Amino acid sequence: SAVISQKPSRDICQRGTSLTIQCQVDSQVTMMFWYRQQPGQSLTLIATANQGSEATYESGFVIDKFPISRPNLTFSTLTVSNMSPEDSSIYLCSVSTGTGVGYTFGSGTRLTVV
Amino acid sequence: AQSVTQLDSQVPVFEEAPVELRCNYSSSVSVYLFWYVQYPNQGLQLLLKYLSGSTLVKGINGFEAEFNKSQTSFHLRKPSVHISDTAEYFCAVSRTHNFNKFYFGSGTKLNVKP
Repeated sequence: SAVISQKPSRDICQRGTSLTIQCQVDSQVTMMFWYRQQPGQSLTLIATANQGSEATYESGFVIDKFPISRPNLTFSTLTVSNMSPEDSSIYLCSVSTGTGVGYTFGSGTRLTVV
Repeated sequence: AQSVTQLDSQVPVFEEAPVELRCNYSSSVSVYLFWYVQYPNQGLQLLLKYLSGSTLVKGINGFEAEFNKSQTSFHLRKPSVHISDTAEYFCAVSRTHNFNKFYFGSGTKLNVKP
């Protein structure tokens, strides 16, 4: 299955600033997914990123707050904009496994907003 | 809509004891079922998945799960746990006709004690 590198692994940011998270995959994939895992909670899908088209956002998530880029088939970025303490979460990148149904996840970015 | 319920937020167990982590789902359509494990400060790793066929699915690290359609359950079991199994376990479902969108349960923290 694909190997995902996600950067940074953690960061502490000031409120009102923005952070861009990078996700690099070692093989070409059509679809990449961004999830949020808030403290003590499960994972929630933020958006699906396809190369060459705008990302598709889930209910409750908007492009102005979480802009996503997908410049090629192995790379994507998620930006958390104008951060507030409520944005403190783990953000995970994932891709479909090469063997069909299922996801491979990156190790996540642990974001703390102060 | 799909929903996933993990009835136990935490499960303490002694090493070499058997364990069962419970997962129930609700869906009006056919689903695929998954269990993921998240070790401390790491991303999610696929343990096993049910797509079709035999209702008893074997995964990595000695885990298995049984799909029970009538009870809409997909409980995870291991006959003898190790300290290294201490982690958080997430049950997830996806619809068979849109399998790229996952719905996760709230997670169960398995704490294996010596």
